[in-house]
Amino acid sequence: DADVTQTPRNRITKTGKRIMLECSQTKGHDRMYWYRQDPGLGLRLIYYSFDVKDINKGEISDGYSVSRQAQAKFSLSLESAIPNQTALYFCATSDNWVHQPQHFGDGTRLSIL
Amino acid sequence: GQNIDQPTEMTATEGAIVQINCTYQTSGFNGLFWYQQHAGEAPTFLSYNVLDGLEEKGRFSSFLSRSKGYSYLLLKELQMKDSASYLCAVRANYGGATNKLIFGTGTLLAVQP
Repeated sequence: DADVTQTPRNRITKTGKRIMLECSQTKGHDRMYWYRQDPGLGLRLIYYSFDVKDINKGEISDGYSVSRQAQAKFSLSLESAIPNQTALYFCATSDNWVHQPQHFGDGTRLSIL
Repeated sequence: GQNIDQPTEMTATEGAIVQINCTYQTSGFNGLFWYQQHAGEAPTFLSYNVLDGLEEKGRFSSFLSRSKGYSYLLLKELQMKDSASYLCAVRANYGGATNKLIFGTGTLLAVQP
């Protein structure tokens, strides 16, 4: 089983719909992150959480919200989806030690029509 | 501001050596990561440098010069499976937060027979 699991893997939906992307991990890491990846723009940070009671905005948080339900679960919501939120979304986790890398889930490919 | 530059594309021959460069301008530098990403898949961690010098890991090596804001990833004995995007990511303390990861747009490496 994957250490960082994202659901769904693919989603097509319509403009204005509310969407939730879920991430769960079995690595026991406190830190979790949501990124989006667009061609030519690289990975950009949406939100991050360093523990269950900690939520922080990243560079591109407008139009998104998150919930850290437990140490192992971090979900990303699009309250009212718009076409320019079409992208590949990745969840990542990391240990508290600053020199540890982030570990990524397999991604969710989201298309908004 | 925070900025990372790496070439968009590179081509190399199976069995050869290739060097992928990354230059960065960041405040609060706190380490540099290299990730490999095959098309449509999750980024996977390759190497990490926080001090100047060379880190070697099998066929992969990474070099860092903090004074020059420069790193490179060296891939030896290239194999067809090394065809992928290589992402340079800088960890930095900025915007009131610590240890954020800033990703470059990636270098797409094509390995030819």
